Amino acid sequence: AQKITQTQPGMFVQEKEAVTLDCTYDTSDPSYGLFWYKQPSSGEMIFLIYQGSYDQQNATEGRYSLNFQKARKSANLVISASQLGDSAMYFCAMRELIRPGANSKLTFGKGITLSVRP
Amino acid sequence: GAGVSQSPSNKVTEKGKDVELRCDPISGHTALYWYRQRLGQGLEFLIYFQGNSAPDKSGLPSDRFSAERTGESVSTLTIQRTQQEDSAVYLCASSSRQSSYNSPLHFGNGTRLTVT
Repeated sequence: AQKITQTQPGMFVQEKEAVTLDCTYDTSDPSYGLFWYKQPSSGEMIFLIYQGSYDQQNATEGRYSLNFQKARKSANLVISASQLGDSAMYFCAMRELIRPGANSKLTFGKGITLSVRP
Repeated sequence: GAGVSQSPSNKVTEKGKDVELRCDPISGHTALYWYRQRLGQGLEFLIYFQGNSAPDKSGLPSDRFSAERTGESVSTLTIQRTQQEDSAVYLCASSSRQSSYNSPLHFGNGTRLTVT
């Protein structure tokens, strides 16, 4: 089974509106972290927001918030007040604890392309 | 520098040649990762380094791929006898705590490799 699933096709949103990018994950580890990265056309990977498996509240960072539904294993990214500069590829990723000292690599989904229309 | 530095930013090579890609992680970061990203795809894990521990090479696609790291600093990814299928962006990332699931990875800008 895929660890991270992002199935939405290219997404479009009108400038200044909110948009939700979906992400579901699969793990049996009780300790894990969920991350969202933005990759604009320049190619850099920009870390946006983090949600820990034990966090009681949804994470927020400026215009970004994470709708974390642990029982459903979903971690959707919400971008409020979209801007033209938000047009990019967005990746959901997970990092599991596994065990202390072990490699805890980031496993990525396939990404979602977001286009913001003026 | 303040971020992860990769060189070269672009590399064009002929099929069959060897290439070497370099990564300089953030100072003080003990964990270093290499990922590959094919056009329009997600990131594919290649290899992981942590201190003096044996690297995790489980993501390397073939024995033509190898990587080294000098202590907790520079790493080089070597691809021997390059094939056209190796064309991709190779991304390096570092992290301050190797097994901490709440630490993000910080990425360099990548090396775009084109094999002709």
